[in-house]
Amino acid sequence: NAGVTQTPKFQVLKTGQSMTLQCAQDMNHNSMYWYRQDPGMGLRLIYYSASEGTTDKGEVPNGYNVSRLNKREFSLRLESAAPSQTSVYFCASSEIGGRTEAFFGQGTRLTVV
Amino acid sequence: QQQVKQSPQSLIVQKGGIPIINCAYENTAFDYFPWYQQFPGKGPALLIAIRPDVSEKKEGRFTISFNKSAKQFSLHIMDSQPGDSATYFCAAAYNNNDMRFGAGTRLTVKP
Repeated sequence: NAGVTQTPKFQVLKTGQSMTLQCAQDMNHNSMYWYRQDPGMGLRLIYYSASEGTTDKGEVPNGYNVSRLNKREFSLRLESAAPSQTSVYFCASSEIGGRTEAFFGQGTRLTVV
Repeated sequence: QQQVKQSPQSLIVQKGGIPIINCAYENTAFDYFPWYQQFPGKGPALLIAIRPDVSEKKEGRFTISFNKSAKQFSLHIMDSQPGDSATYFCAAAYNNNDMRFGAGTRLTVKP
C-alpha cells in the first residue's frame, strides 16, 4: 500500500539546471496535484490534473510544466531552475476532485543554489 | 493574496487544553472545508472536513465549527495531547479541483 510515491526525496540544483520530479499513485485516483510548501505560505497549488489527459494551472504555475503520463503518474518539470523555486514540493491525488480527500506524498525538498 | 487566512501562526498549550485554530475565507464559491495535519518530514494528512450545509462536525477529539454568514471556520482539539503537536492547515475547495490552503498553525502541546 504505497499510496503516493514521490522521487527524489532531496535534490540540489544549480541555477539554470532542469529537472523532473516524479509522482505515482496506486489508488486509481482520477485527480492529481502538485503543491509547493514555503514557510509562512502554507501549500500553494502549482498545477493539477482532473483526469488523465488534462492539466490546468493552479495558483503559482510560472516556471513549471507538468505531464500527466497516464492515470498513475504526474510529473513536474523545472526547465530552468531559479533560487525562488527552492521549496518542498508535494504531489497529491484524490478520487474525483478537490472536494474529496487528497492523499499526499512524502515531499521532495529542492534547493536551488 | 491568500484566499484562506489562518490564525494563529503558532500556538502552545498544556496537555488537556483546548487549542482553537481559526480560518476565514472570502470566496463564497468554496463548498468543502478540510483540515489537514502535518508532522515534520511528512506530507499533510486529512484530519476532518465539513461542507457548508452543517455548522459543526465532530470526529473523536476534533471538532470543526462553521459559520457560513461570517465566512469563518475553526478547529477545536479537545483534551489535547503531546502527540497532537503538529502543523495544522485549513483549506477550502471549489466545485472543481482547485483547493486552497491557509498558511498553517504550528501547535505545540506541552506535557
